Amino acid sequence: EVQLVESGGGLVQPGGSLKLSCAASGFTFSGAAMHWVRQASGKGLEWVGRIRSKANSYATTYAASVKGRFIISRDDSKNTAYLQMNSLKTEDTAVYYCSRFYIRFGESYGMDVWGQGTTVTVSS
Amino acid sequence: EIVLTQSPGTLSLSPGERATLSCRASQSVSNSDLAWFQQKPGQAPRLLIFGASSRATGIPDRFSGSGSGTDFTLTISRLEPEDFAVYYCQQYGSSSYTFGQGTKLEIK
Repeated sequence: EVQLVESGGGLVQPGGSLKLSCAASGFTFSGAAMHWVRQASGKGLEWVGRIRSKANSYATTYAASVKGRFIISRDDSKNTAYLQMNSLKTEDTAVYYCSRFYIRFGESYGMDVWGQGTTVTVSS
Repeated sequence: EIVLTQSPGTLSLSPGERATLSCRASQSVSNSDLAWFQQKPGQAPRLLIFGASSRATGIPDRFSGSGSGTDFTLTISRLEPEDFAVYYCQQYGSSSYTFGQGTKLEIK
């Protein structure tokens, strides 16, 4: 079964740091681009950023709202992607989802697999 | 950054009716790299449509997508009770994968 499981959420003070994990199973993780998307309570979806595969130089891109504060990385030997969040603000409070962006033979098939999400609360 | 604007914000319909949801982009979406997602309360989003008009695996054929350039549409031909949810469009044609603000489809 293709699956993504996020972990690492919790309560953190403003200015603090937190690292989220996204464990993948059931597919060839090393070939996949992995994305992070967040959703504040009662609000819409906000794309956070993504990391491409080794074949694409592990290239990362970030939303303007998190650029310079968040870092996405991956460990293909552990089938896991990470979201390191630094200098956290109250507005970063949200459910954070990881997602696979599926590409096959050069064709894009979109974000077809999602985790269940992990909750991050930034508050004093 | 490409801004996506969805309309209407809320759509009130009855089961069996046809639903038409709109997504307009602030600039042309390259290669029709546009997706639609469905989200129900407490659940992760589910991919419905990619490439503007291709259904994802396991999605019923009552869901269809159309459009190109800056104007895209998600159509649900005959609403089933389980279709009432929030729908988001997303573009992935630029380096920043933006989402629309969502359309809530509610039971009338």
